[in-house]
Amino acid sequence: GQNIDQPTEMTATEGAIVQINCTYQTSGFNGLFWYQQHAGEAPTFLSYNVLDGLEEKGRFSSFLSRSKGYSYLLLKELQMKDSASYLCAVLDSNYQLIWGAGTKLIIKP
Amino acid sequence: DGGITQSPKYLFRKEGQNVTLSCEQNLNHDAMYWYRQDPGQGLRLIYYSQIVNDFQKGDIAEGYSVSREKKESFPLTVTSAQKNPTAFYLCASSAFSGSYNEQFFGPGTRLTVL
Repeated sequence: GQNIDQPTEMTATEGAIVQINCTYQTSGFNGLFWYQQHAGEAPTFLSYNVLDGLEEKGRFSSFLSRSKGYSYLLLKELQMKDSASYLCAVLDSNYQLIWGAGTKLIIKP
Repeated sequence: DGGITQSPKYLFRKEGQNVTLSCEQNLNHDAMYWYRQDPGQGLRLIYYSQIVNDFQKGDIAEGYSVSREKKESFPLTVTSAQKNPTAFYLCASSAFSGSYNEQFFGPGTRLTVL
């Protein structure tokens, strides 16, 4: 079966750095997405990785290792508005998105 | 402004009634999707459509129906056959359903069946 694992919840302090991990086992791989979702709202796109390595975009970076079936999202200089759920999704061999359950990130002052 | 609209944001229905959720996009996207999200779970695909007048079942299509008569519109009907319809429903669209499939989401409809 297809499976994507993320921690259920994480807590971090304002101004700090946090790393949210995602491991996946899917039938094929055509890319990995990270989305941010505030409570009761729609997910919004953060990043896309299809090749191994680190993609940096402002305070957010995303890393991929295809051989390990592993990705992480790195958030720097945390702000209170970063409190949200972070969803990892993999595009499988049929170009369908398989979604993880999401990681709820709580930022404390 | 281009985007995806879903209406209404909150919807209440009595058990046994069919209800239709609307989804409209003006992004000129070919592909559209319906997802269901339950607390503590990821998004689960209900139906998707890659082109007008064509749609495919997702992982949890039972008890739901869709139509795609226009490129801009992809309404979802939650029928009385859906055993547990209370959930947050999200509609999404993408330029195409091949590689680099960034999906854009509507604001969602929270359906509560009483």
